[in-house]
Amino acid sequence: GENVEQHPSTLSVQEGDSAVIKCTYSDSASNYFPWYKQELGKRPQLIIDIRSNVGEKKDQRIAVTLNKTAKHFSLHITETQPEDSAVYFCAATQLWEYGNKLVFGAGTILRVKS
Amino acid sequence: NAGVTQTPKFQVLKTGQSMTLQCAQDMNHEYMSWYRQDPGMGLRLIHYSVGAGITDQGEVPNGYNVSRSTTEDFPLRLLSAAPSQTSVYFCASSRGSAETQYFGPGTRLLVL
Repeated sequence: GENVEQHPSTLSVQEGDSAVIKCTYSDSASNYFPWYKQELGKRPQLIIDIRSNVGEKKDQRIAVTLNKTAKHFSLHITETQPEDSAVYFCAATQLWEYGNKLVFGAGTILRVKS
Repeated sequence: NAGVTQTPKFQVLKTGQSMTLQCAQDMNHEYMSWYRQDPGMGLRLIHYSVGAGITDQGEVPNGYNVSRSTTEDFPLRLLSAAPSQTSVYFCASSRGSAETQYFGPGTRLLVL
């Protein structure tokens, strides 16, 4: 089955610096790669996603890149702000009988120091 | 729209007790899922459903049952609670299998 590994497990950056979180996946048939942000005590919420036919996608300070050959994808946050502090999860689809299921990485705790 | 709702918010059980975690969505989504979240382990899929009457197992289904009689509701049943089931449980729904998942607020379960 699909295995998603996420690194680093914790990341501390200074406000204004960039943050990069990387994920690798094992299933070459995976075709959808979302990123979720979870603030303390709250539910995960989608921040950006990318499909297998696209190499990069941007949304303001957030970008995701996908390398299908190497089976890895990354989240890039530029000009980090204190409100970016949260846990970030990557995920990849695994094709099952009734469609796709999402397999999540273990998460990255991002701390932005002001 | 209320989105995805879950009840209860917090529950304490004794080992061996059974209970049902409720999940409902008002977005007419076909796909619904149950995840458990444990420290350092991300979100692990317990069961999911692709529509009324159709359910399937996820990564960690043992000790849990589900059914889907309506599009709106997807309850998760713990048959005989064990301390290993202490966790935060999230329900999620989406329009399709590779679409944005909308999570409920979660249920924090403590099994003594």
